[in-house]
Amino acid sequence: DTAVSQTPKYLVTQMGNDKSIKCEQNLGHDTMYWYKQDSKKFLKIMFSYNNKELIINETVPNRFSPKSPDKAHLNLHINSLELGDSAVYFCASKPPNTGELFFGEGSRLTVL
Amino acid sequence: SQELEQSPQSLIVQEGKNLTINCTSSKTLYGLYWYKQKYGEGLIFLMMLQKGGEEKSHEKITAKLDEKKQQSSLHITASQPSHAGIYLCGASSGSARQLTFGSGTQLTVLP
Repeated sequence: DTAVSQTPKYLVTQMGNDKSIKCEQNLGHDTMYWYKQDSKKFLKIMFSYNNKELIINETVPNRFSPKSPDKAHLNLHINSLELGDSAVYFCASKPPNTGELFFGEGSRLTVL
Repeated sequence: SQELEQSPQSLIVQEGKNLTINCTSSKTLYGLYWYKQKYGEGLIFLMMLQKGGEEKSHEKITAKLDEKKQQSSLHITASQPSHAGIYLCGASSGSARQLTFGSGTQLTVLP
Protein backbone atom coordinates (compact mmCIF):
# COMPACT_ATOMS: atom_id res chain seq x y z
CA ASP A 1 0.00 0.00 0.00
CA THR A 2 1.42 3.35 -1.03
CA ALA A 3 1.38 5.75 1.93
CA VAL A 4 1.06 8.98 -0.08
CA SER A 5 -0.22 8.55 -3.61
CA GLN A 6 -0.62 11.14 -6.32
CA THR A 7 -2.41 10.98 -9.65
CA PRO A 8 -1.61 11.43 -12.40
CA LYS A 9 2.12 10.79 -12.38
CA TYR A 10 2.54 12.53 -15.74
CA LEU A 11 0.40 15.24 -17.28
CA VAL A 12 1.00 16.93 -20.62
CA THR A 13 -1.38 19.70 -21.59
CA GLN A 14 -1.75 22.86 -23.62
CA MET A 15 -1.46 26.41 -22.35
CA GLY A 16 -4.75 27.81 -21.15
CA ASN A 17 -6.20 24.47 -20.05
CA ASP A 18 -7.41 23.65 -16.54
CA LYS A 19 -6.08 20.54 -14.81
CA SER A 20 -6.17 18.83 -11.41
CA ILE A 21 -3.75 16.67 -9.49
CA LYS A 22 -5.05 14.45 -6.72
CA CYS A 23 -3.33 13.31 -3.54
CA GLU A 24 -4.35 10.78 -0.94
CA GLN A 25 -2.57 9.59 2.19
CA ASN A 26 -3.43 6.54 4.28
CA LEU A 27 -1.13 7.39 7.19
CA GLY A 28 -3.77 9.09 9.30
CA HIS A 29 -1.82 12.37 9.29
CA ASP A 30 -3.66 15.63 9.88
CA THR A 31 -1.35 17.85 7.85
CA MET A 32 -0.80 17.76 4.11
CA TYR A 33 1.25 19.86 1.71
CA TRP A 34 1.79 20.74 -1.90
CA TYR A 35 5.34 21.49 -3.00
CA LYS A 36 6.56 22.56 -6.41
CA GLN A 37 9.95 21.45 -7.75
CA ASP A 38 11.23 23.51 -10.65
CA SER A 39 13.70 22.56 -13.37
CA LYS A 40 16.61 23.43 -11.08
CA LYS A 41 15.29 20.90 -8.54
CA PHE A 42 14.45 23.64 -6.04
CA LEU A 43 11.57 22.46 -3.85
CA LYS A 44 9.24 25.20 -2.70
CA ILE A 45 6.18 24.97 -0.49
CA MET A 46 2.90 26.10 -2.00
CA PHE A 47 0.13 25.17 0.43
CA SER A 48 -0.46 23.35 3.67
CA TYR A 49 -3.70 22.05 5.13
CA ASN A 50 -4.32 20.84 8.65
CA ASN A 51 -7.49 18.84 9.15
CA LYS A 52 -9.05 20.29 6.00
CA GLU A 53 -8.14 23.87 6.96
CA LEU A 54 -5.70 25.98 4.97
CA ILE A 55 -2.78 26.98 7.24
CA ILE A 56 -0.02 27.92 4.82
CA ASN A 57 -0.56 29.73 1.56
CA GLU A 58 2.71 30.92 0.09
CA THR A 59 2.88 33.45 -2.71
CA VAL A 60 1.24 31.39 -5.40
CA PRO A 61 -0.89 32.73 -8.28
CA ASN A 62 -4.60 32.43 -7.52
CA ARG A 63 -4.90 30.20 -10.59
CA PHE A 64 -3.80 27.50 -8.16
CA SER A 65 -6.57 26.36 -5.84
CA PRO A 66 -6.10 23.56 -3.32
CA LYS A 67 -9.09 21.62 -2.04
CA SER A 68 -9.23 19.24 0.89
CA PRO A 69 -12.50 17.27 0.98
CA ASP A 70 -11.27 15.38 4.06
CA LYS A 71 -8.01 15.12 5.96
CA ALA A 72 -6.79 12.19 3.86
CA HIS A 73 -7.08 14.07 0.57
CA LEU A 74 -5.56 17.25 -0.78
CA ASN A 75 -6.15 18.06 -4.44
CA LEU A 76 -4.60 20.82 -6.51
CA HIS A 77 -6.54 22.50 -9.29
CA ILE A 78 -4.78 24.78 -11.74
CA ASN A 79 -6.66 27.15 -14.04
CA SER A 80 -5.40 28.73 -17.26
CA LEU A 81 -2.13 26.82 -17.30
CA GLU A 82 1.00 28.72 -18.31
CA LEU A 83 4.37 27.52 -19.59
CA GLY A 84 5.98 28.44 -16.26
CA ASP A 85 3.70 26.03 -14.44
CA SER A 86 5.70 23.13 -15.89
CA ALA A 87 7.28 21.42 -12.90
CA VAL A 88 7.02 18.40 -10.67
CA TYR A 89 4.38 18.82 -7.99
CA PHE A 90 4.83 16.85 -4.79
CA CYS A 91 2.22 16.09 -2.21
CA ALA A 92 3.36 15.32 1.33
CA SER A 93 1.84 14.57 4.71
CA LYS A 94 3.17 15.03 8.21
CA PRO A 95 2.41 13.59 11.63
CA PRO A 96 2.11 16.06 14.55
CA ASN A 97 5.10 17.34 16.52
CA THR A 98 7.72 16.48 13.95
CA GLY A 99 8.99 18.08 10.78
CA GLU A 100 9.39 14.77 8.97
CA LEU A 101 7.40 14.74 5.76
CA PHE A 102 6.19 11.72 3.84
CA PHE A 103 6.21 12.43 0.13
CA GLY A 104 4.29 11.12 -2.81
CA GLU A 105 6.16 10.19 -5.97
CA GLY A 106 5.40 13.48 -7.67
CA SER A 107 3.28 14.56 -10.63
CA ARG A 108 5.27 15.84 -13.58
CA LEU A 109 3.28 18.57 -15.34
CA THR A 110 4.37 19.72 -18.80
CA VAL A 111 2.61 22.69 -20.34
CA LEU A 112 3.08 23.09 -24.10
CA SER B 1 12.08 33.42 6.34
CA GLN B 2 14.68 30.73 6.75
CA GLU B 3 17.10 30.22 3.87
CA LEU B 4 19.13 27.11 3.31
CA GLU B 5 22.14 26.95 1.08
CA GLN B 6 23.58 23.65 -0.07
CA SER B 7 27.01 23.02 -1.51
CA PRO B 8 28.13 21.79 -3.86
CA GLN B 9 25.25 22.05 -6.32
CA SER B 10 26.48 18.95 -8.09
CA LEU B 11 29.09 16.33 -7.40
CA ILE B 12 30.57 13.58 -9.55
CA VAL B 13 32.69 10.99 -7.78
CA GLN B 14 34.24 7.65 -8.60
CA GLU B 15 32.73 4.64 -6.88
CA GLY B 16 34.49 3.96 -3.59
CA LYS B 17 35.32 7.60 -2.86
CA ASN B 18 34.12 9.51 0.18
CA LEU B 19 32.18 12.74 -0.19
CA THR B 20 30.57 15.49 1.86
CA ILE B 21 27.55 17.69 1.20
CA ASN B 22 26.99 20.83 3.25
CA CYS B 23 23.87 22.68 4.28
CA THR B 24 24.06 26.15 5.83
CA SER B 25 21.20 28.05 7.37
CA SER B 26 20.70 31.78 7.76
CA LYS B 27 19.02 31.13 11.13
CA THR B 28 19.33 28.68 14.01
CA LEU B 29 17.93 25.34 13.05
CA TYR B 30 15.18 23.79 15.16
CA GLY B 31 15.29 20.61 13.19
CA LEU B 32 17.39 19.64 10.20
CA TYR B 33 16.20 16.91 7.87
CA TRP B 34 18.08 15.13 5.11
CA TYR B 35 16.20 13.64 2.19
CA LYS B 36 17.27 11.78 -0.93
CA GLN B 37 15.47 11.91 -4.25
CA LYS B 38 16.03 9.48 -7.09
CA TYR B 39 15.10 10.60 -10.58
CA GLY B 40 11.36 10.36 -11.16
CA GLU B 41 10.64 9.45 -7.57
CA GLY B 42 9.57 11.15 -4.40
CA LEU B 43 11.79 12.19 -1.52
CA ILE B 44 12.95 9.55 0.90
CA PHE B 45 13.68 10.57 4.49
CA LEU B 46 17.25 9.82 5.58
CA MET B 47 17.88 11.43 8.95
CA MET B 48 16.80 14.15 11.32
CA LEU B 49 19.06 16.16 13.63
CA GLN B 50 17.95 18.46 16.41
CA LYS B 51 20.65 18.96 18.99
CA GLY B 52 23.83 20.96 18.54
CA GLY B 53 26.74 18.59 17.93
CA GLU B 54 24.43 15.70 17.12
CA GLU B 55 25.62 13.02 14.74
CA LYS B 56 23.67 10.14 13.23
CA SER B 57 24.68 7.32 10.93
CA HIS B 58 22.80 4.90 8.76
CA GLU B 59 24.78 2.36 6.77
CA LYS B 60 27.46 4.45 5.02
CA ILE B 61 25.80 7.83 5.49
CA THR B 62 26.61 10.10 8.43
CA ALA B 63 24.92 13.42 9.15
CA LYS B 64 26.16 16.00 11.63
CA LEU B 65 24.75 19.23 13.03
CA ASP B 66 27.23 21.79 14.31
CA GLU B 67 27.16 23.14 17.86
CA LYS B 68 25.68 26.46 16.77
CA LYS B 69 22.91 24.62 14.90
CA GLN B 70 23.38 26.56 11.69
CA GLN B 71 25.28 24.08 9.59
CA SER B 72 24.88 20.42 8.78
CA SER B 73 26.97 18.04 6.73
CA LEU B 74 26.15 14.73 5.11
CA HIS B 75 29.07 12.39 4.60
CA ILE B 76 29.03 9.27 2.46
CA THR B 77 31.79 6.74 2.91
CA ALA B 78 32.90 4.46 0.08
CA SER B 79 30.21 5.72 -2.30
CA GLN B 80 28.30 3.34 -4.56
CA PRO B 81 26.18 3.93 -7.67
CA SER B 82 23.11 3.33 -5.48
CA HIS B 83 23.96 6.54 -3.60
CA ALA B 84 23.36 8.61 -6.74
CA GLY B 85 20.48 11.06 -6.62
CA ILE B 86 19.58 14.50 -5.33
CA TYR B 87 20.20 15.19 -1.67
CA LEU B 88 18.10 17.88 -0.04
CA CYS B 89 18.34 19.36 3.39
CA GLY B 90 15.19 20.73 4.97
CA ALA B 91 14.71 22.89 8.04
CA SER B 92 11.63 23.05 10.19
CA SER B 93 10.25 26.23 11.64
CA GLY B 94 9.93 26.52 15.39
CA SER B 95 6.38 25.19 15.27
CA ALA B 96 7.44 22.32 12.96
CA ARG B 97 4.55 23.29 10.69
CA GLN B 98 6.54 23.25 7.48
CA LEU B 99 9.86 22.30 5.99
CA THR B 100 11.89 24.74 3.94
CA PHE B 101 14.32 23.04 1.60
CA GLY B 102 17.77 23.85 0.32
CA SER B 103 18.51 23.94 -3.38
CA GLY B 104 19.70 20.34 -3.48
CA THR B 105 22.94 18.59 -4.42
CA GLN B 106 22.95 16.29 -7.42
CA LEU B 107 25.27 13.35 -6.78
CA THR B 108 26.57 11.11 -9.56
CA VAL B 109 28.66 8.05 -8.69
CA LEU B 110 30.63 6.61 -11.57
CA PRO B 111 31.15 2.83 -11.59
